[in-house]
Amino acid sequence: GAVVSQHPSRVICKSGTSVKIECRSLDFQATTMFWYRQFPKQSLMLMATSNEGSKATYEQGVEKDKFLINHASLTLSTLTVTSAHPEDSSFYICSASLATSTDTQYFGPGTRLTVL
Amino acid sequence: EDQVTQSPEALRLQEGESSSLNCSYTVSGLRGLFWYRQDPGKGPEFLFTLYSAGEEKEKERLKATLTKKESFLHITAPKPEDSATYLCALNQAGTALIFGKGTTLSVSS
Repeated sequence: GAVVSQHPSRVICKSGTSVKIECRSLDFQATTMFWYRQFPKQSLMLMATSNEGSKATYEQGVEKDKFLINHASLTLSTLTVTSAHPEDSSFYICSASLATSTDTQYFGPGTRLTVL
Repeated sequence: EDQVTQSPEALRLQEGESSSLNCSYTVSGLRGLFWYRQDPGKGPEFLFTLYSAGEEKEKERLKATLTKKESFLHITAPKPEDSATYLCALNQAGTALIFGKGTTLSVSS
């Protein structure tokens, strides 16, 4: 149980284009989903928290107009990187939890974004 | 400020050589301490959640323990397939996880 999927697993795009990444909870309903970014040999950094049906809460320093998050249902959240640039190249990982407070977060397999 | 510090940064073991990974933390109100395993190019895989000092949890060759200031991940008789980066994380009020930088474990046969 508690399986989270991400699509695509890898994407290469040209600078200036937009890329959408999907995160799905396959066998549970996720009231809260999280988006993280991980650079090589570094730990995960939280980008934003999203609750179904409401606007995402972004961490300090994360541009909300660049990283658009939509959490349209209890099983799907999307992250769109708009006007991507090479510095946006990274490993993007989503997670989902059943409820707020102390519930465990289950992570997706990640999406490797390369911007040329 | 809430913080998570993991040590050592890297650990090399021979197969069967038991050891422990450390996660020390400072937090204003602990609402859960988590251990994850991450393989290269993959998302973190959930291992354990600990909520209160004195709590212990086991899974195969792994045992996690918790005190008021630190957590240990004990690995008994490790095998090469246990090689991975092990991440410790705290749950802040408001559900955000604060991750440590991880310990990269290499087990050779």
